[in-house]
Parts: sequence; C-alpha cells; structure tokens
Amino acid sequence: NAGVTQTPKFRVLKTGQSMTLLCAQDMNHEYMYWYRQDPGMGLRLIHYSVGEGTTAKGEVPDGYNVSRLKKQNFLLGLESAAPSQTSVYFCASLRDHRGGPETQYFGPGTRLLVL
Amino acid sequence: TQLLEQSPQFLSIQEGENLTVYCNSSSVFSSLQWYRQEPGEGPVLLVTVVTGGEVKKLKRLTFQFGDARKDSSLHITAAQTGDTGLYLCAGATGRRALTFGSGTRLQVQP
Repeated sequence: NAGVTQTPKFRVLKTGQSMTLLCAQDMNHEYMYWYRQDPGMGLRLIHYSVGEGTTAKGEVPDGYNVSRLKKQNFLLGLESAAPSQTSVYFCASLRDHRGGPETQYFGPGTRLLVL
Repeated sequence: TQLLEQSPQFLSIQEGENLTVYCNSSSVFSSLQWYRQEPGEGPVLLVTVVTGGEVKKLKRLTFQFGDARKDSSLHITAAQTGDTGLYLCAGATGRRALTFGSGTRLQVQP
C-alpha cells in the first residue's frame, strides 16, 4: 500500500513549456486534490475532484488544468509555464466519510522551477 | 474567502521548554486539523477536532478547538528536537476541501 505517490519529484521548465504532474493513490479514495505551497503562504487549493470524470476549480486555478479519467489518478497540467508557477505541488486524497471529519492524505510533493 | 491566521510564524526554543501555537479565523469551520510537515515531505495529519471546546491530547501535544469553532491552539509540553518542523492548521469547508493557515515553523534547539 503506497498511499499517495507523485511523479516527477523535481522538474525544471523554461517559460512557455508545458508539463503534466501525475498523482496516484491506491486507497480507492473518491476525492483528490492539487495544492501548491509557496513560502509563507501555506497550501492553496488549485483544483479538486469529487470522483472519476469530475473536476472543479479551487482557490488558484488560473494557468492549470486537471483530468481524472481513472479513479486512482489525478493529473495536473501546465499548458504554458510561467515563473509565477514555481512552487511545490502537493496532491492529496480523501475517502468520503459522509458527514465525518475530513482526513486528507498527502503525497511527497513535486518541486517545480520555471526559469 | 475563509482565512486562517497562524501565530507565531517562527519559533525557536530550547529543548524542554513549553510552547503554544495559535490558529485564528473569523469563519466557522465544521472541523479543524493540525498537520506537521518535515522538509521535503507532504503534511502529515496530527489530529482532527470537531466539537467546539474539544480538547485532544497526543502524548506531549494538546490541541484545543474554540467554543465557537473559529480558532484552535496547539500546546507542546517539554519540547524535544524531534518536534522541529512546520505546523499547519487547516479548516474544513463544506466541499470537502481544506483551507490552510500559513504555518508556524518550530525549531527546537538541543
């Protein structure tokens, strides 16, 4: 049981390049999330998904797209990377407790540097 | 936008000292969580508090949820070097998403 895994661990991009970050979870969780973490700003929600085939915008969605074609995978895409997207990206998943407290499990993160 | 403010932002103490970290908001949350994050890793859940006034203990860590469910505190007794890390509070919203505070970076010196 690997939990939540993210690939790649680290990537350097030039401005304007595109890339996809992959998140995979083996816990059969319904909900999945993408956050970015910048110094002094905690984690901010980019996009999330409440189930296979569904996605929704979070707090800072501009410049990103996501897809959830399979329940276990949640992809985050950058179509045209900008230096402002330099950050650490975290994926998380949640089993829907239907009224219970929300407990998210986080991946190890992907460090992205855009030059 | 629901905001969570954490204080202090940075804290450097000696081993054996006590400390308290605060998490405050003007919004009401259905639950509030505390995470600890080590460098190069994702946040790991420490505790979830749900009921106003609730107090939970995890060894030397004591977590309290305010009566109005808008604020919380984390108290560490007799801090150890292993407590060093970034402590994050996060409030749960109705869409199953979390709003995170900016974090408190704790350094415990031997």
